[in-house]
Amino acid sequence: DAKTTQPNSMESNEEEPVHLPCNHSTISGTDYIHWYRQLPSQGPEYVIHGLTSNVNNRMASLAIAEDRKSSTLILHRATLRDAAVYYCIRYSGAGSYQLTFGKGTKLSVIP
Amino acid sequence: EAGVAQSPRYKIIEKRQSVAFWCNPISGHATLYWYQQILGQGPKLLIQFQNNGVVDDSQLPKDRFSAERLKGVDSTLKIQPAKLEDSAVYLCASSRGGGGNQPQHFGDGTRLSIL
Repeated sequence: DAKTTQPNSMESNEEEPVHLPCNHSTISGTDYIHWYRQLPSQGPEYVIHGLTSNVNNRMASLAIAEDRKSSTLILHRATLRDAAVYYCIRYSGAGSYQLTFGKGTKLSVIP
Repeated sequence: EAGVAQSPRYKIIEKRQSVAFWCNPISGHATLYWYQQILGQGPKLLIQFQNNGVVDDSQLPKDRFSAERLKGVDSTLKIQPAKLEDSAVYLCASSRGGGGNQPQHFGDGTRLSIL
């Protein structure tokens, strides 16, 4: 049970912003939202994470809804190198936090 | 900062043979994870270590899979005997600690093919 819902696939034009949505309606107060991406033949790569507030780093921005039941990963200018499977994960656990991966969103970037 | 190192990169064996994978985490990372990723699916956690102790191995098929992390640094994952359904990519990850605020860093995995 991945506990998050993401679209199976999305497309974006190169150099356009991309908004990847994620629903996590059963999130609890101690659960973090983590995003990872996986390029072909590579291991998952950490992108960003947050708890309640919006977060920015050099790779992306994470917008978390006020009720925390959904979040959006924002890539400000998509490049061909951003084509990957993006996983939104509710990082939760009592005692040990564990990543439970779902199927993710396959992002295609069109030149 | 060097990333998570895994070897070998690829391994082909016949069913019922044994195989071992090695992982060297990022220096200073106390928590180490092994995942199994079957083609077309997301990674599935097999075992989690905190230093050299097991935190969770509830999804590890213990009749054939074993893992150890001696001295709290390197780790090995072994399969004996292998079955056809074990064909997958085996990923190792590490983090500074096991808390939710700690991102995990993954190696590129070992791709195992069972003939």
